[in-house]
Amino acid sequence: QVQLVESGGGVVQPGKSLRLSCAASGFRFNSFGMHWVRQAPGKGLEWVALISYDGRQEIYLDSVKGRFTISRDNSKNTLHVQMNSLRPEDTAVYYCAKSYESSGYSHFDYWGQGALVTVSS
Amino acid sequence: QSVLTQPPSASGTPGQRVTISCSGATSNIGTNAVNWYQQLPGAAPKLLMYSHNQRPSGVPDRFSGSKSGTSASLAISGLQSEDEADYYCAAWDDSLNGWVFGGGTKLTVL
Repeated sequence: QVQLVESGGGVVQPGKSLRLSCAASGFRFNSFGMHWVRQAPGKGLEWVALISYDGRQEIYLDSVKGRFTISRDNSKNTLHVQMNSLRPEDTAVYYCAKSYESSGYSHFDYWGQGALVTVSS
Repeated sequence: QSVLTQPPSASGTPGQRVTISCSGATSNIGTNAVNWYQQLPGAAPKLLMYSHNQRPSGVPDRFSGSKSGTSASLAISGLQSEDEADYYCAAWDDSLNGWVFGGGTKLTVL
């Protein structure tokens, strides 16, 4: 069965960096687009970034452009997001989600359990 | 302020039918598929409906979806206590070049 397991969350000071990872199993990882979606405490879902199956296309939410970088290692079935210059408003549970198809333009058919990132001094 | 607009809350009694609306624009719902996600309390979101009205395997046929113009809706018939959750609509937005979500609707089963 499909499993997505996030790791790397924690408390970080404003302006610092953090890297989240998502270990994928149960499907052919190198054939599907992947996403990061976040949810601030008590708030709704917000899409953050997508990466195509081969890593050649990356698309970002405007507010994270230039600060976040999504990447994938298809040899290790792992998705990452490098988050730099973190701000308090980046505080959220970050979910990795699998796209139904290769580019990331279709629905998210599986989600991980999430990793909490808290940006606070 | 979310790009897609949903009512913040909805409610119904067991057995009733409830509908949750999702309003958008030509650049998102008007052009692209609408998907719905269910988030049970304390859990990760789960795909509930895709391409307006397609149910993934395992989703009961009590759930149905529709789209008209720049709006979509999710209907739940035969409401059950386990349907109490937050529901989110989502679509790709051609103008923003990204995915957009509704603000979510908290469904309470009275």
